[in-house]
Amino acid sequence: GQQVMQIPQYQHVQEGEDFTTYCNSSTTLSNIQWYKQRPGGHPVFLIQLVKSGEVKKQKRLTFQFGEAKKNSSLHITATQTTDVGTYFCAGQGNYGQNFVFGPGTRLSVLP
Amino acid sequence: NAGVTQTPKFRVLKTGQSMTLLCAQDMNHEYMYWYRQDPGMGLRLIHYSVGEGTTAKGEVPDGYNVSRLKKQNFLLGLESAAPSQTSVYFCASSPLGNRGDTQYFGPGTRLTVL
Repeated sequence: GQQVMQIPQYQHVQEGEDFTTYCNSSTTLSNIQWYKQRPGGHPVFLIQLVKSGEVKKQKRLTFQFGEAKKNSSLHITATQTTDVGTYFCAGQGNYGQNFVFGPGTRLSVLP
Repeated sequence: NAGVTQTPKFRVLKTGQSMTLLCAQDMNHEYMYWYRQDPGMGLRLIHYSVGEGTTAKGEVPDGYNVSRLKKQNFLLGLESAAPSQTSVYFCASSPLGNRGDTQYFGPGTRLTVL
């Protein structure tokens, strides 16, 4: 079945540094979503990417969908303490299957 | 709108006991999901429902049962709890599931099985 991996598992950065997490699927995806979960909280939707090579920005966050639609990345510029949390990608296959979540990347930001 | 709510927030069970987790949504969403979250493993789909009266198995359905008698409610049952079912359980809903719709998550239920 479809598998979704994320690297790194953990990332510790100094406030102001950049951060990137990578998501890789074993199969081609129809779309991919990104979620953020604050410590002790629940996942909250950030964005969805649908098109090959698509790039979307939300303030300091840049999301990219690979040309082959099998990988994606989330880049945060100049991290802030409010960025702390776990970032999950979730991929949906080409036949309308349920989303498969990656294991997440936990981001710590040191002030 | 309350969004997605879950009851209870915390629960401790002994091995072999049973319990039901309740999820409710007030957004008139068709699709509802139950996930479990374990450290380092992300969210794994237990069961889901594509509409009132329907249920289907997800990735890790063993040991769980579900029911969707009303559109707004999705119940997750553990008939005979096991320590391996210690986890955080999240319910989610989406308008429709097969078009990449956003999933809205509840606050979670932290379950410990001793």
